[in-house]
Amino acid sequence: GAGVSQTPSNKVTEKGKYVELRCDPISGHTALYWYRQSLGQGPEFLIYFQGTGAADDSGLPNDRFFAVRPEGSVSTLKIQRTERGDSAVYLCASSRTSGSDEQFFGPGTRLTVL
Amino acid sequence: QQQVKQSPQSLIVQKGGISIINCAYENTAFDYFPWYQQFPGKGPALLIAIRPDVSEKKEGRFTISFNKSAKQFSLHIMDSQPGDSATYFCAARAWNTGNQFYFGTGTSLTVIP
Repeated sequence: GAGVSQTPSNKVTEKGKYVELRCDPISGHTALYWYRQSLGQGPEFLIYFQGTGAADDSGLPNDRFFAVRPEGSVSTLKIQRTERGDSAVYLCASSRTSGSDEQFFGPGTRLTVL
Repeated sequence: QQQVKQSPQSLIVQKGGISIINCAYENTAFDYFPWYQQFPGKGPALLIAIRPDVSEKKEGRFTISFNKSAKQFSLHIMDSQPGDSATYFCAARAWNTGNQFYFGTGTSLTVIP
């Protein structure tokens, strides 16, 4: 079956602009996670959804970052007033349930803020 | 604050050799320890994982050794192959803070033919 997909694969934007990053989890997976991976670093947790609701958003760095999952499947990570420091690879992962051990990662969206 | 400390940052091993990557943690609430493998341009993929009730887990050429008292765990890759060249991340999850993983900083492994 299909894995986690993310679009776009690359996004270049200018400082101050708004961007949306999309994640399609594995079909039937109820838990969805967003991580951010800076160059040479491990992924850092941003937010976790169980179904439609954000169960834990403690990793969002500030109020410019927001994520939604309105129908419990596709999720969108939204970044307002982008800054150069937001440049990173944004990874999405899903798991069968919130109690499942394995998280399946997508290929990521590489965001570059000029 | 890095919750999981990983070393070395990079590793070069001859084909057929043993690759060893080490991780350490402090949080005693961690109860699940996966290792992820990441190739350039790809997302991390689960390689092998362990829970703290066992001291070792082996799957094929990959073994995790776990020392609960020392709060350390390591990945051993036996008979390393050029196809193993990738970045490896250790991670940990706490039972009391939801399902987020705390990742190490990664080890870039190069296996020389």
